[in-house]
Amino acid sequence: QKEVEQNSGPLSVPEGAIASLNCTYSDRGSQSFFWYRQYSGKSPELIMSIYSNGDKEDGRFTAQLNKASQYVSLLIRDSQPSDSATYLCAVRGGGGFKTIFGAGTRLFVKA
Amino acid sequence: DTAVSQTPKYLVTQMGNDKSIKCEQNLGHDTMYWYKQDSKKFLKIMFSYNNKELIINETVPNRFSPKSPDKAHLNLHINSLELGDSAVYFCASSQEASGGDGQFFGPGTRLTVL
Repeated sequence: QKEVEQNSGPLSVPEGAIASLNCTYSDRGSQSFFWYRQYSGKSPELIMSIYSNGDKEDGRFTAQLNKASQYVSLLIRDSQPSDSATYLCAVRGGGGFKTIFGAGTRLFVKA
Repeated sequence: DTAVSQTPKYLVTQMGNDKSIKCEQNLGHDTMYWYKQDSKKFLKIMFSYNNKELIINETVPNRFSPKSPDKAHLNLHINSLELGDSAVYFCASSQEASGGDGQFFGPGTRLTVL
């Protein structure tokens, strides 16, 4: 079982719609959860972090965490073509210093 | 000013050669990392240093040797390069050793081994 799993996509949504990206993780003791955005040919960029159950909103982005279900998601409201990128879910485990990245979900927002 | 910088941006070399990639961060962070991103875009940790001390050393061939002269710099030296080493190598930094506050990535070094 992969430690951090994401649907590779591509996920295609029309402009203005809500894009929903999902991630599951295997380490029940995980403490910190992150979403990174990576444009083609560029480096990952941290866009959201979440540490406790529930929702965390930042502009058009909402991160949701459910530790009981070992599930974290990212919602992008009013999706724009500029949101087209690969979104990486990352999880810091309960012990040690390692952050594990998922393989990423490719998002296409159609104008 | 670039927060995390890497040189070179592109590196094309022959099998068997030895090469180095340099990384510098001006964020005042205590922890730095090297990641490898392969052709399938999977990002995998290789090494991490906290205040010049090695804290993560993943299962990486010993042809790869990191060096941290100070907490703002982390270099990666690769001996006897192989075709399978072709990838994009990212340097990153974070304030906490745990990385629990998220990491900031450099622009990447695209290594091509011929």
